[in-house]
Amino acid sequence: GQQLNQSPQSMFIQEGEDVSMNCTSSSIFNTWLWYKQDPGEGPVLLIALYKAGELTSNGRLTAQFGITRKDSFLNISASIPSDVGIYFCAGSLRAGGTSYGKLTFGQGTILTVHP
Amino acid sequence: NAGVTQTPKFQVLKTGQSMTLQCAQDMNHEYMSWYRQDPGMGLRLIHYSVGAGITDQGEVPNGYNVSRSTTEDFPLRLLSAAPSQTSVYFCATLGYSGANVLTFGAGSRLTVL
Repeated sequence: GQQLNQSPQSMFIQEGEDVSMNCTSSSIFNTWLWYKQDPGEGPVLLIALYKAGELTSNGRLTAQFGITRKDSFLNISASIPSDVGIYFCAGSLRAGGTSYGKLTFGQGTILTVHP
Repeated sequence: NAGVTQTPKFQVLKTGQSMTLQCAQDMNHEYMSWYRQDPGMGLRLIHYSVGAGITDQGEVPNGYNVSRSTTEDFPLRLLSAAPSQTSVYFCATLGYSGANVLTFGAGSRLTVL
């Protein structure tokens, strides 16, 4: 099946630093999603990307859909303590037919922010 | 508006016991699914349903049963729990929007001794 490789697996940073994480796939996707999971909670959508080359921001977060459609990255600028959590990338094909609802997830990046 | 509600939040079972994880949604979403989360492996799809009366297997369905008698509910059953089923389970729904953007519940942490 499809595989997503997410890196790094974990990051320990100081408050105020910028963060960058990425995901690569062995096959193409039509949609890339970035989720954040707080401790004891379910993943919450941060950013959705629908077009190759698309660059989208959400506050301090910026994500890009790679031109090859096989990769995506997420940047967090000026990190704060509440950025702590697990960040997941997820890829999917178009929401139709047998691809309906199906996401492939990366392994997650555990982010720790020291005040 | 509660969204996706999962119960119980925590459960400890002995090997061989059975139990049901409940998932209820009030968003009238047709699509519901169950994922399990294990360290270093991301989230993996167990079973899914595209509407009442319709279910299908995901990536890791063995040891789990599901049914979908109503739009609102999608329970996940473990008939004979095994230690390998120790995990955090998430229910997720999708309202049709042309894109696979899932909404997740808060999770159920299951430990099988």
